[in-house]
Amino acid sequence: AQSVTQLGSHVSVSEGALVLLRCNYSSSVPPYLFWYVQYPNQGLQLLLKYTSAATLVKGINGFEAEFKKSETSFHLTKPSAHMSDAAEYFCAVSEISGNTPLVFGKGTRLSVIA
Amino acid sequence: AAGVIQSPRHLIKEKRETATLKCYPIPRHDTVYWYQQGPGQDPQFLISFYEKMQSDKGSIPDRFSAQQFSDYHSELNMSSLELGDSALYFCASSPQPNQPQHFGDGTRLSIL
Repeated sequence: AQSVTQLGSHVSVSEGALVLLRCNYSSSVPPYLFWYVQYPNQGLQLLLKYTSAATLVKGINGFEAEFKKSETSFHLTKPSAHMSDAAEYFCAVSEISGNTPLVFGKGTRLSVIA
Repeated sequence: AAGVIQSPRHLIKEKRETATLKCYPIPRHDTVYWYQQGPGQDPQFLISFYEKMQSDKGSIPDRFSAQQFSDYHSELNMSSLELGDSALYFCASSPQPNQPQHFGDGTRLSIL
């Protein structure tokens, strides 16, 4: 069975500061890993994905994440936070084989302070 | 670019009523997933279809059923609605196995 743990249900940073959202996964098979962002009353937008190619993955809006197998982690970072980054962020895992559903973490709400 | 279309965006029902949610995947996407997101919760997988056949089943109640049609759109049918069914229901589609899922904006279902 697969699972995802997101450390911190709420993270607050100042505008221009580093954003770090933590995600650890558990999977008995090689995983695919994703970060999605959800703005209020909207759907989930894919930020980036890890699919067993490069371990450092660059996504949209300046976000990136690094897959670390030894730490079973896939933390999301952005060098400089912008007010528009305030949203709910979900880390998700799925199996490599087949059309498998996503298993989401509980989400981390990011607040950006001016 | 075309996205996943869900209708309706909002739906209000009373207990014991029925509801039908519709999902139109991105063109040439043959796989559809349904997720339920309760207030303040993470999305939970309900059911998925690949090439019009059910491919996986998650925590979908027996009161719910779904299908994928020949044009690849999907419908989630919900009966005997309960207060606890109030949630945001997402549909996602992907073009082929192992490709990322693209989500619609969801249907917000409120049960009174």
